[in-house]
Amino acid sequence: GAVVSQHPSWVICKSGTSVKIECRSLDFQATTMFWYRQFPKQSLMLMATSNEGSKATYEQGVEKDKFLINHASLTLSTLTVTSAHPEDSSFYICSAPAFSSYEQYFGPGTRLTVT
Amino acid sequence: AQSVTQLGSHVSVSEGALVLLRCNYSSSVPPYLFWYVQYPNQGLQLLLKYTSAATLVKGINGFEAEFKKSETSFHLTKPSAHMRDAAEYFCAVSDPAGNQFYFGTGTSLTVIP
Repeated sequence: GAVVSQHPSWVICKSGTSVKIECRSLDFQATTMFWYRQFPKQSLMLMATSNEGSKATYEQGVEKDKFLINHASLTLSTLTVTSAHPEDSSFYICSAPAFSSYEQYFGPGTRLTVT
Repeated sequence: AQSVTQLGSHVSVSEGALVLLRCNYSSSVPPYLFWYVQYPNQGLQLLLKYTSAATLVKGINGFEAEFKKSETSFHLTKPSAHMRDAAEYFCAVSDPAGNQFYFGTGTSLTVIP
């Protein structure tokens, strides 16, 4: 089946620095990808919709200047957490919709810890 | 607008007992419904999906779910729980275009030996 990968799988960064997370569709093209954030013991919360070749669409309450999304190609979307703070520590998951089956393919997630 | 509600944030069952995880949906149009499982520090794995075909859907690992329009439910069941079933389970509904997912709050399943 279709595979979505994320890199890195985990990252530790210092407060105030920026970190980039990559989401790739490995064997299919994705004009749209989604970024979710999941806090411990909680559900996935949609942060933004990444659109290839255009600006991302952010959910209400998500700071677009803090969470920069770039969808530069049909197989790659990146999420950059700028000026990270400890409260940004979370599990970030991306997904890409399947072409015709109405389902999403999820990446394995990236654990971000900000110290 | 679509949404799902999962009743019971924590469910405990004995090994070999029936597993029942509840999910009710709200949708203004015929929904597409999904159940995912998540193991610690991992992404989501699709268990099964309902996309307007058969109302009884069979998935992986012995799980199945039944779509009941009259009850707006899509409960997940498994006849006999295994220790390896211990995980977090999420119900989700997607919009008609199948692009945006709305997740329930999740149910943590504990299997008691």
